[in-house]
Amino acid sequence: AQSVAQPEDQVNVAEGNPLTVKCTYSVSGNPYLFWYVQYPNRGLQFLLKYITGDNLVKGSYGFEAEFNKSQTSFHLKKPSALVSDSALYFCAYPNSNSGYALNFGKGTSLLVTP
Amino acid sequence: EPEVTQTPSHQVTQMGQEVILRCVPISNHLYFYWYRQILGQKVEFLVSFYNNEISEKSEIFDDQFSVERPDGSNFTLKIRSTKLEDSAMYFCASSETGQRRAPQYFGPGTRLTVL
Repeated sequence: AQSVAQPEDQVNVAEGNPLTVKCTYSVSGNPYLFWYVQYPNRGLQFLLKYITGDNLVKGSYGFEAEFNKSQTSFHLKKPSALVSDSALYFCAYPNSNSGYALNFGKGTSLLVTP
Repeated sequence: EPEVTQTPSHQVTQMGQEVILRCVPISNHLYFYWYRQILGQKVEFLVSFYNNEISEKSEIFDDQFSVERPDGSNFTLKIRSTKLEDSAMYFCASSETGQRRAPQYFGPGTRLTVL
């Protein structure tokens, strides 16, 4: 069965330090992978996607993600965390059949402390 | 920057009542979606809609649910007879194309509380 897993419920980082939010995937074929962020009382915002090509994908707000086929991972990273990055982060992939439905991981809560 | 909007932000209803959740997708987008998130659980796909037809629906989307694009801008989700377990945050989303690579853009959500 296809899935994405976010092994950490919460990640705590000090402001200015690098951050990593982990995602591993079990998706057949060439995976399409997405990262979304949910700020308090807001909807999910698209951050970035991996389709094919460069394994390092750059997205919004200074975030990037590294696709690693051998480790089946797509970790979200940022070199220097901001307090305003505190939010819920979701890894997702589209259904392989139709592509319409996005399937989300359970989410990782990122807390950046001053 | 264009955004998906949703109204109301919070809806409280009695069990058995009908509710209609409204969404205005991004104007040049052709594919529309509803998702829900029960408190503390994953975001779950409900239905996708294109060209005035349902493209795909999940097991959650039973006969109590329906979707409609009543005019050129609105996209609605109707729950015919609400149950307690329908209490959740409902997100509308839209995408420019239906390709798997196309990101979906989400609205801020409607929190539905069924009493």
